[in-house]
Amino acid sequence: QSALTQPPSAAGSPGQSVTISCTGTSSDVGGYKYVSWYQQHPGKAPKLMIYDFSKRPSGVPDRFSGSKSGNTASLTVSGLQAEDEADYYCCSYAGSNKLIFGGGTKLTVL
Amino acid sequence: EVQLVESGGGLVQPGGSLRLSCAASGFSFSSYWVNWVRQAPGKGLEWVASIIQDGSEKFYGDSVKGRFTISRDNAKNSLYLEMNSLRAEDTALYYCAVQHCSTCYPYYFDWWGRGTLVTVSS
Repeated sequence: QSALTQPPSAAGSPGQSVTISCTGTSSDVGGYKYVSWYQQHPGKAPKLMIYDFSKRPSGVPDRFSGSKSGNTASLTVSGLQAEDEADYYCCSYAGSNKLIFGGGTKLTVL
Repeated sequence: EVQLVESGGGLVQPGGSLRLSCAASGFSFSSYWVNWVRQAPGKGLEWVASIIQDGSEKFYGDSVKGRFTISRDNAKNSLYLEMNSLRAEDTALYYCAVQHCSTCYPYYFDWWGRGTLVTVSS
């Protein structure tokens, strides 16, 4: 099973909004609500930012939001801050007790 | 405080074997599915394997199925990954990860360890 498709990079200035896409198929992203997003700073473990495509865990700022339309999920970061600069990965349940990740997007705060 | 501490990584030759461990503390280990996720150097994340609370069900990613075995010892609050027939493409940082929901299938991961590095090279 191929990885979910994410743009390799995204960028925005402080205060702006940026949206990162995650495209799969009807067998993964399009078929289930179980899409999650992770933030990873260099040398650190991933951190869960969004689950069930739009829910935020406790402690995650409401500047982070998620959505899904068809086979594509999206992560939007509003009011960009310097500390948001990191790699972001999407993940989806793909049926048959399997999970699949996206290739990752490097977010740069200009 | 939840802690997941991986160990057992190192340098191994292609075709060799290695056993990783993950020591858990700060939560009721036996109540949760536990999982392995890996990340090759400079690359993205890849789900490796998951094991149910009592160890009776195990699921694997296609790239490791038949070569890797996930297991757990609830008495020792520990998770294991037995890796055989290792290949260069198995070189990665291996994370232990848990979803903070004792009644849920692991669709995502709240808690992560810091990882242990496995290098497969001659």
